[in-house]
Amino acid sequence: QKEVEQNSGPLSVPEGAIASLNCTYSDRGSQSFFWYRQYSGKSPELIMSIYSNGDKEDGRFTAQLNKASQYVSLLIRDSQPSDSATYLCAVGDSNYQLIWGAGTKLIIKP
Amino acid sequence: DTGVSQDPRHKITKRGQNVTFRCDPISEHNRLYWYRQTLGQGPEFLTYFQNEAQLEKSRLLSDRFSAERPKGSFSTLEIQRTEQGDSAMYLCASTASGGYTFGSGTRLTVV
Repeated sequence: QKEVEQNSGPLSVPEGAIASLNCTYSDRGSQSFFWYRQYSGKSPELIMSIYSNGDKEDGRFTAQLNKASQYVSLLIRDSQPSDSATYLCAVGDSNYQLIWGAGTKLIIKP
Repeated sequence: DTGVSQDPRHKITKRGQNVTFRCDPISEHNRLYWYRQTLGQGPEFLTYFQNEAQLEKSRLLSDRFSAERPKGSFSTLEIQRTEQGDSAMYLCASTASGGYTFGSGTRLTVV
């Protein structure tokens, strides 16, 4: 059974601080890794993808992947109240099938 | 192309009625997925198509659920004899490869 685990939170972070979201996965054959943001009542929105070990930066977002530890993380710098949402981790296999975590609720406090 | 479109956005139906949802994916995306999501949970896989072929169905999907993608373009998801437990957000996503693009979803309420 392929699984993706996330802490459900809520994770509370002061405005302007760094928010760190974590995800572990069970399938060592996983090849692609994604972070989605989901506002309440809305559909998931892709914010980051990463395919190889290391860091990938896009604006205030940095995705980190460690395949040996089966661990992927998302850092949000200079957190804003508009970053308050649920962040879903999704892990893809060789057939482009995504396995989803249940999401971490992030709250940015002004 | 403005993305993945789903219709309707909201549907309220009485228990026992049939409902049908439509999804129009991004035109160049050959893979189309249907998911169901309830509050506090991640998306739950229902089924997916590559072009017009339905390649996988979740074993959680009862025989009351059926999906089609007749010409490899839009897709429909039908739920027959709806039950209160079917109340959820139904999400459609498409991809060529890599990350999925989701539609806005159809929120179903069974009363």
